[in-house]
Amino acid sequence: QVQLQESGPGLVKPSETLSLTCTVSGGSISGYYWSWIRQSPGKGLEWIGYIYSSGSTNYNPSLKSRVTISVDTSKNQFSLKLSSVTAADTAVYYCAMGFDIWGQGTMVTVSS
Amino acid sequence: EIVLTQSPGTLSLSPGERATLSCRASQSVSSNYLAWFQQKPGQAPRLLIYAESSRATGIPDRFSGSGSGTDFTLTISRLEPEDFAVYYCQQYGSSPWTFGQGTKVEIK
Repeated sequence: QVQLQESGPGLVKPSETLSLTCTVSGGSISGYYWSWIRQSPGKGLEWIGYIYSSGSTNYNPSLKSRVTISVDTSKNQFSLKLSSVTAADTAVYYCAMGFDIWGQGTMVTVSS
Repeated sequence: EIVLTQSPGTLSLSPGERATLSCRASQSVSSNYLAWFQQKPGQAPRLLIYAESSRATGIPDRFSGSGSGTDFTLTISRLEPEDFAVYYCQQYGSSPWTFGQGTKVEIK
């Protein structure tokens, strides 16, 4: 049974870069696609983007200029970087295997 | 982008009753790539239905999905106590993937 676990800072200052990592256990990260999704009270569920294990990506155009998703197959991990954050980026961030299996989520607050 | 509108916002029902949730898309969903999720407080969304009507692994058969084009429905045939939650639809036929705003199914 594949499981996912998000990790990273819970507090990020405005204008800085939010960085999260998702560790995949119980299966290989190869041969599938891996997503980041966030949920905030104001905007509900918002898809951020996904990456194939090969490295190709697809990002939400609303965030594309600030988002980078990368994969490290040797560590069975994939990562999210979101630059120039503001309070509007405060949310619970989820990583997912496609959209089939989700991590438990991690709360990230943007505040000075 | 495709906007998904769910109705009603809240559904008040009793255990054993039938629940019918609606999801309407602003344009046709490609290949009926429409999914439904269940979310309980403090938990991540859980996939129930994908490709409009296929149940995800381990999902009871009281959950069923139907529809096509721009109109989709999630039906829970007989509500169990554990079914009271928020339900979201999502389309993944066109980028960007988008979600509806949710329907809360609460105990009457």
